[in-house]
Amino acid sequence: AQRVTQPEKLLSVFKGAPVELKCNYSYSGSPELFWYVQYSRQRLQLLLRHISRESIKGFTADLNKGETSFHLKKPFAQEEDSAMYYCALRMGPGGADGLTFGKGTHLIIQP
Amino acid sequence: DAGITQSPRHKVTETGTPVTLRCHQTENHRYMYWYRQDPGHGLRLIHYSYGVKDTDKGEVSDGYSVSRSKTEDFLLTLESATSSQTSVYFCATAGVVGNTIYFGEGSWLTVV
Repeated sequence: AQRVTQPEKLLSVFKGAPVELKCNYSYSGSPELFWYVQYSRQRLQLLLRHISRESIKGFTADLNKGETSFHLKKPFAQEEDSAMYYCALRMGPGGADGLTFGKGTHLIIQP
Repeated sequence: DAGITQSPRHKVTETGTPVTLRCHQTENHRYMYWYRQDPGHGLRLIHYSYGVKDTDKGEVSDGYSVSRSKTEDFLLTLESATSSQTSVYFCATAGVVGNTIYFGEGSWLTVV
């Protein structure tokens, strides 16, 4: 079965420091990987999907199939980046049966 | 936000009572999903639908049932609520297979 692992429950960095949120997955096929962000008590919002290779709010993520990882990175953290971040996998292509989520990482940016 | 509204947004209910949560979408999306969010567990899929009257079970479907009689509405029912079903419930939708999945604002359910 597919699985997504986010090893850090909580990550605290200072404003202006680099940020890396780790995500590893296990799936035998060709997955689609996503990062979602959830600000306090709000809906989940799509941050990135690996197939689009976009940079949103300064965040980037590269799919490393050899290491089965999809780490989220940002060179200079900002206070407004404080939120919950979820890595998610959809069995591709297609994936009508939804997303499998990691348990999330709570990112805190200290001033 | 794909025009997703959930109701009720907050509910407190007693153990053993039935509860129905409604997800309504205005984008004519084919695929709809119900997730629950719990600390330490992230989001887990309860049930999903790939069309009117077509539904299937997710990872944590025990104690839940769903119905989709119209494209725009996906109902989640707890037949007899238990304290372990205290959670935040999120509805999500997707237009076509492979498209972005959008989430609703969540429904906070407390079972006492």
